Parts: sequence; C-alpha cells; structure tokens
Amino acid sequence: ELKVEQNPLFLSMQEGKNYTIYCNYSTTSDRLYWYRQDPGKSLESLFVLLSNGAVKQEGRLMASLDTKARLSTLHITAAVHDLSATYFCAGSVLPKLVFGQGTRLTINP
Amino acid sequence: DVKVTQSSRYLVKRTGEKVFLECVQDMDHENMFWYRQDPGLGLRLIYFSYDVKMKEKGDIPEGYSVSREKKERFSLILESASTNQTSMYLCASSLRDKATYEQYFGPGTRLTVT
Repeated sequence: ELKVEQNPLFLSMQEGKNYTIYCNYSTTSDRLYWYRQDPGKSLESLFVLLSNGAVKQEGRLMASLDTKARLSTLHITAAVHDLSATYFCAGSVLPKLVFGQGTRLTINP
Repeated sequence: DVKVTQSSRYLVKRTGEKVFLECVQDMDHENMFWYRQDPGLGLRLIYFSYDVKMKEKGDIPEGYSVSREKKERFSLILESASTNQTSMYLCASSLRDKATYEQYFGPGTRLTVT
C-alpha cells in the first residue's frame, strides 16, 4: 500500500530565503505530483514528474524526483510572500492519487 | 480550460439527513474522484469512477455511496449524515489515456453536520 509523507508540515520563512519540502513515499509510484492550495481554495496542479531524475521548474519553484530513494523535493528559491500556501505531494497507483499531509508554508516579509 | 464545478460551496445539515454533493466536469474526462480533506490528514479518497455507472471504493468509503449516471456528473451521497463527516469535500477528474493522469479539482464543498 502506497503511503506518502511530507516534511516539514509547517514552515515559516523569510522572503529571500531558500528552502526545500521533502516528500517520501513507501512503494513504487507511477507518477509524482505537486499541488498548491491557497486558503479557502481548491488544489492547483504545479508539477507532474514522470520518471527518475525528472526535474521541472516554474518561476521560483523547482521539483525533482529520485525514484530509487523514493523521494521528491520541492525547492523554493528566494521566497516571496505570494508563495505562501499549502503544498501537497501525491504519489499514484493509477488512476488514483495518494496524498501527503501537506506542508503549510508561510513567507514573512 | 478544464472546469470542475461543485453544487455548493458551503452546506449545513443535521445528523441523520441524507446529503447529496454534486460534481460536474466539462472536459469529457473518463475518471472522476471524491476526496475529503481534513487538517493534518491531507486528502483521502472516498470513491472514484472510471466510466459511467462504474465505481470503485477508495480508502474511506464507509458511510458514503456514489452515483455516476452521466459521464460529466459524479454524485457523492451521505446516506445518514453524522458529525464525523463534517469536512471539506473535493471532486476531481482526469483523462484516462493522457500520459500524466493529472487530476483537476473543483472548488470544494465545506460540509458541516450538526
């Protein structure tokens, strides 16, 4: 049974700093997904990682996947306040997704 | 642009009532999903459907049922609502044959059972 764990669950950081959110999963996952959720809003897809070594970047966010270590990371570069949100990773046993607990990211001026 | 809509943003029901949550998608997706979201637990899959009239249990189906009579519409039914079903409910859809199987989410329904 696929289980997905994120850490940290809460992260408070200052603008301009770099940080990484980690996503570990327990067994083989067909894909790895990252979503963003703003307060009171639904989930917005950020990245879909399809294979080992995959790296995707959008603005200040970069996601990577290491299938051998069963680890995905979401790296935030020079954080800005607009990136404050809850970030979820999800593994998949297609067509189902299995979500981590979410990381609530707060970026302070 | 994929659009997934849910019938209500906020709903308040009494214990024992039968509750219907409706979800509609406009992109001809085969797969549809119902999740509940609770703080610290992430999203948990209740049921999903990969075709009209087809359904599969997810991780927490107890106390819920679903209906998919048309491809674009997927309903979640709480047969007899209980207070522990107070939660945010999210619907999602995805294409079956696209490589990514990316799921697109609706805005959510916050259900309170009193």
